[in-house]
Amino acid sequence: DAGVIQSPRHEVTEMGQEVTLRCKPISGHNSLFWYRQTMMRGLELLIYFNNNVPIDDSGMPEDRFSAKMPNASFSTLKIQPSEPRDSAVYFCASSPSSGLPDTQYFGPGTRLTVL
Amino acid sequence: GDSVTQMEGPVTLSEEAFLTINCTYTATGYPSLFWYVQYPGEGLQLLLKATKADDKGSNKGFEATYRKETTSFHLEKGSVQVSDSAVYFCALTSDSGGGADGLTFGKGTHLIIQP
Repeated sequence: DAGVIQSPRHEVTEMGQEVTLRCKPISGHNSLFWYRQTMMRGLELLIYFNNNVPIDDSGMPEDRFSAKMPNASFSTLKIQPSEPRDSAVYFCASSPSSGLPDTQYFGPGTRLTVL
Repeated sequence: GDSVTQMEGPVTLSEEAFLTINCTYTATGYPSLFWYVQYPGEGLQLLLKATKADDKGSNKGFEATYRKETTSFHLEKGSVQVSDSAVYFCALTSDSGGGADGLTFGKGTHLIIQP
């Protein structure tokens, strides 16, 4: 299997621009997670989906952030408008089970820099 | 809410030394516990896990035992190698009964092994 695929791997944008991060989970996995990693705050869960349905978005920092999962093989995380404090590495992860705590498989991450 | 506390490091050891990275947690219910490893420029990879009290997870010479009485999941390895240099994250996920949940991570421990 190809593993979790994220694109782009690197994104540099200017403050105020819209940013869209993309994720393709491992085929057959039922759960998908978005995390953000910064030096100051470490790894934080932003939102997760079970069977394409958003379950908990309490980690989304503010209304500028939104996430969608239109089908089982694709998810997006959008930031509009972007701000310099959004600079971080954003990870997508997927998990095979939506019924039990299970191993999460991480993608390589998208390094976002907002100037 | 749930939380994970681990020594942040950096931890610097010589090759073949014994390694312990401490991890303690606070959680409601009966969490599953994980150690993930992150090599430079990469996403997180599962190292080992334990899903109930007294379980021992092991992989690649690393091991950790789920201690409910001390709420701990310390990572150990008898003889480290230069290739073990990475950042190690302790994490938990709680079984909320509603399906898969996101991971709560510690801050990460940067391990440096010198030849």
